[in-house]
Amino acid sequence: EPEVTQTPSHQVTQMGQEVILRCVPISNHLYFYWYRQILGQKVEFLVSFYNNEISEKSEIFDDQFSVERPDGSNFTLKIRSTKLEDSAMYFCASSEAGRPTTNEKLFFGSGTQLSVL
Amino acid sequence: AQRVTQPEKLLSVFKGAPVELKCNYSYSGSPELFWYVQYSRQRLQLLLRHISRESIKGFTADLNKGETSFHLKKPFAQEEDSAMYYCAIIQGAQKLVFGQGTRLTINP
Repeated sequence: EPEVTQTPSHQVTQMGQEVILRCVPISNHLYFYWYRQILGQKVEFLVSFYNNEISEKSEIFDDQFSVERPDGSNFTLKIRSTKLEDSAMYFCASSEAGRPTTNEKLFFGSGTQLSVL
Repeated sequence: AQRVTQPEKLLSVFKGAPVELKCNYSYSGSPELFWYVQYSRQRLQLLLRHISRESIKGFTADLNKGETSFHLKKPFAQEEDSAMYYCAIIQGAQKLVFGQGTRLTINP
């Protein structure tokens, strides 16, 4: 089965630094997502992306966050100036269509553990 | 806004015993609900969705609108069922809202 690939698996950074988390969605998928999970808390939606623009974002996804599909395969999440509270597992996901309904599945990557010191 | 609640953070049962992981939701309309599973050191993956009314790996989940519940059940637990289980509901066009998750441990 095809997989969503995320790199790196672990990222350690200093507070205030910029980080870029990378994802390679499944090749024929059109919708891309970022979720995150702070340790001990629930998985939270950050943003969805379609046709080279953000289609929906949560209140967590403030001006410090941005997403980009720089080429035909990668999908990145950038945090401009990291804060301690950005420490979390970040999951990328993709789907063929926009809603994870009966006929469409949301495929998740294995996650990037971001630690902000 | 739609919300799901998983009241149990941890659940431990013996192999062969029945399993029920609880999920309650809040939504006034027709909800679209899912169960996701994350096995140790693996990625989050879809287990089942209520629309399909399917049984995956022996698990079933029935939507009970009267009780606003979508509990996950399996009649006979197996050791390989040990994992983190998340109930989720769709909010809006594309957003999945997850519950806190329940860590299921199956004891031999």
